[in-house]
Amino acid sequence: QVQLVESGGGVVQPGKSLRLSCAASGFIFETYGMHWVRQAPGKGLEWVAVISYDGNNKYYADSVKGRFIISRDNSKNTLYLQMNSLRTKDTAVYYCAKDRTAYCSNMRCYGPNDYWGQGTLVTVSS
Amino acid sequence: SYELTQPPSMSVAPGETARITCGRSNIGTNSMHWYQQKPGQAPVVVVFDGSDRPSGIPERFSGSDSGDTATLIISRVEVGDEADYYCQICDSRNDHGVFGGGTKLTVL
Repeated sequence: QVQLVESGGGVVQPGKSLRLSCAASGFIFETYGMHWVRQAPGKGLEWVAVISYDGNNKYYADSVKGRFIISRDNSKNTLYLQMNSLRTKDTAVYYCAKDRTAYCSNMRCYGPNDYWGQGTLVTVSS
Repeated sequence: SYELTQPPSMSVAPGETARITCGRSNIGTNSMHWYQQKPGQAPVVVVFDGSDRPSGIPERFSGSDSGDTATLIISRVEVGDEADYYCQICDSRNDHGVFGGGTKLTVL
């Protein structure tokens, strides 16, 4: 069965960096795009970024562009989110999610997020 | 700006039909997806590509999409359907993923 397990969350000061990981299993990781989605406490879902199956195409939300970097290591079945210059508004539960569409590399073909991890909490506070 | 607009909340009695709308503004024509999220849990997709249903999702969940507005329809609502519902699209016009603000469904 498909499993996505996030790790790397914690408490960090504003301006600092943090790297999240998402370990994937139960599917052919290298054939699917992967997303990060976040949810601030008591708030709605916010899409953060997506990376294509081969790692060559990446898209970001305006709120994180230039500060966050999405990457993947297909040899390790692992997705990453490098978060730099963190702000208090970045405080949220961060979910990794699998895209339903195989071999997609642009927004015209990405589909729904059919599997999600349980999330990891990032708290940005001084 | 581009956005998906949902009503913040709605209430329905058990056995009735809930219709949750999602309006598009300055967003491309890609298909709409719908998620259910219960407290403390990750979201679950209940309708994708406007009207398709994943395996394991009851037939009571369906969707429609007519240009500017998509609708999630929950027939014969049950107490267990009480949750937050989000619409979502991968917007090829702006190269972003977008979620609606969410609708809290209360089953009276």
